[in-house]
Amino acid sequence: IAGITQAPTSQILAAGRRMTLRCTQDMRHNAMYWYRQDLGLGLRLIHYSNTAGTTGKGEVPDGYSVSRANTDDFPLTLASAVPSQTSVYFCASSPRSGSTDTQYFGPGTRLTVL
Amino acid sequence: GQNIDQPTEMTATEGAIVQINCTYQTSGFNGLFWYQQHAGEAPTFLSYNVLDGLEEKGRFSSFLSRSKGYSYLLLKELQMKDSASYLCAVMDSNYQLIWGAGTKLIIKP
Repeated sequence: IAGITQAPTSQILAAGRRMTLRCTQDMRHNAMYWYRQDLGLGLRLIHYSNTAGTTGKGEVPDGYSVSRANTDDFPLTLASAVPSQTSVYFCASSPRSGSTDTQYFGPGTRLTVL
Repeated sequence: GQNIDQPTEMTATEGAIVQINCTYQTSGFNGLFWYQQHAGEAPTFLSYNVLDGLEEKGRFSSFLSRSKGYSYLLLKELQMKDSASYLCAVMDSNYQLIWGAGTKLIIKP
């Protein structure tokens, strides 16, 4: 079934540890996005990629990095996790960047940093 | 600044009609999206409006007034499975989505 997968589903992490959240899509979408969702707040964009080989910063990029080596994969790395990064992380993709194409979301990763 | 406002929570009765409002102030406008999100799940696309007026899609309809910076999502013949959060998002001039905090809809029998 075509779509977006994320791993892990959930994770408890000690502060200061490095963590990579994985995201893979098989829809051959050019654009990919990472959001975090916190209670009482709207989804906030962390980083995005318009196409393989390019990335950009969103609204809340500090403490996070991304790479886009190919079309399908868009991993998000927390270099040194802090408790304020406790959140639900969603990866999304859309066919084209710079367009009104619908964004499709993965199932999310629930991350707790202690 | 950019701002999307929607009610935090609403309650409605099974079989009834409910209207969820969304007001926005953004830098540029390239359309407004509504997504549904069940607890613990991913947001899923419901509707997209870029022109003024009403778009109907089965039991769900979405309305937009660009001059008023206002949209609503109308859900008819409510079913228990409609219990979810409904997210309003505006696509700004950079084609990035600005999201509201969501409206949690509780359906009672």
